[in-house]
Amino acid sequence: EAQVTQNPRYLITVTGKKLTVTCSQNMNHEYMSWYRQDPGLGLRQIYYSMNVEVTDKGDVPEGYKVSRKEKRNFPLILESPSPNQTSLYFCASSVGTRGTQYFGPGTRLLVL
Amino acid sequence: QQQVKQSPQSLIVQKGGISIINCAYENTAFDYFPWYQQFPGKGPALLIAIRPDVSEKKEGRFTISFNKSAKQFSLHIMDSQPGDSATYFCAASLSYNTDKLIFGTGTRLQVFP
Repeated sequence: EAQVTQNPRYLITVTGKKLTVTCSQNMNHEYMSWYRQDPGLGLRQIYYSMNVEVTDKGDVPEGYKVSRKEKRNFPLILESPSPNQTSLYFCASSVGTRGTQYFGPGTRLLVL
Repeated sequence: QQQVKQSPQSLIVQKGGISIINCAYENTAFDYFPWYQQFPGKGPALLIAIRPDVSEKKEGRFTISFNKSAKQFSLHIMDSQPGDSATYFCAASLSYNTDKLIFGTGTRLQVFP
């Protein structure tokens, strides 16, 4: 089944404790993105990647890092999480610049 | 210039009624306008999309109306059903870079039997 998977689905952590949210797609898509969803703000892009080893900032990149060492994986790294990063995070992938974005199921993060 | 404004924030419709969600954009270079549907606990999924060379696109009960001069587009759901209850997001981007989507703030639709 073609899909985007994210792990973990739920995560509670404390301020300053590094964490990684994994994202994997099995559709051989070139493009992958990370979004955060907050009430009243919609979905905002954090980072995106156009291919292996090619990443760029989205609209809200502060406090986040990404890497794209393999085509199928695009992990999101929070080096020192803070409470304002409490949010619902979505990974998405698409075949190219004109392709439909396919979203993962989401990761709900709570930073205490 | 990069904003997409969406209204209303929430919408309650009776079964069989018409649901209408509106969006407005500022960047005249945008030329790809998708709508995403999100059910609770799920990621958004593409519902329907339009490019500005047409003023309307219809897929089943879902229609996008597009007004280029007013920089507005809207989603109409005809014969709304309880299964349509979800959050709807409009978005906009440049067609050569549909990965750079700018999303609206979302509309929570509830359809009551």
